[in-house]
Amino acid sequence: KAGVTQTPRYLIKTRGQQVTLSCSPISGHRSVSWYQQTPGQGLQFLFEYFSETQRNKGNFPGRFSGRQFSNSRSEMNVSTLELGDSALYLCASSLEGLAGRDTGELFFGEGSRLTVL
Amino acid sequence: DQQVKQNSPSLSVQEGRISILNCDYTNSMFDYFLWYKKYPAEGPTFLISISSIKDKNEDGRFTVFLNKSAKHLSLHIVPSQPGDSAVYFCAASPVFGNEKLTFGTGTRLTIIP
Repeated sequence: KAGVTQTPRYLIKTRGQQVTLSCSPISGHRSVSWYQQTPGQGLQFLFEYFSETQRNKGNFPGRFSGRQFSNSRSEMNVSTLELGDSALYLCASSLEGLAGRDTGELFFGEGSRLTVL
Repeated sequence: DQQVKQNSPSLSVQEGRISILNCDYTNSMFDYFLWYKKYPAEGPTFLISISSIKDKNEDGRFTVFLNKSAKHLSLHIVPSQPGDSAVYFCAASPVFGNEKLTFGTGTRLTIIP
């Protein structure tokens, strides 16, 4: 069973640009959530999509947005990039929701490492 | 406001000994807790969880303890093995359902051969 796939794995952008990251969840998983990982901050929740609808949202500015398609694939977009947006962006999928139904297990991808210069 | 805190950024333990990773939380609405393990260049993987109706959950070498009155949980690994070297994140959820997980900042565990 294929895992969560994130593309691209690495990318470098400059301040002011925008970026789109892609996530393909595990087949059958309808929930996709996005996290930002930075040193010293742990994993910060960005948002969660379930059946093409944003169900939960973290405390990030409006420059961070996302969407989910009918095949459950998800994209997140960051506009007007700032130096502080440099981070590892992790996508996770689960069968029923963020905390799951049975084990609370999220399945994470390997992440997209964004560097903003 | 960090609602889930892992106050030890790093921990070194001799192989074969017990590793104890600690996690504190402030939100009394949290009632489901998970530990994730992360190797470099990989996404976090689920390790073990515990709900608030229990105070202990065991899975092989891994045991999680929950002290609700102290708002504290800990992960015990015994015996520790070199492959356990990784960053460990604790996470919490207010309900067993659709609420988002709040993660701690992580503890880097190094097992010394």
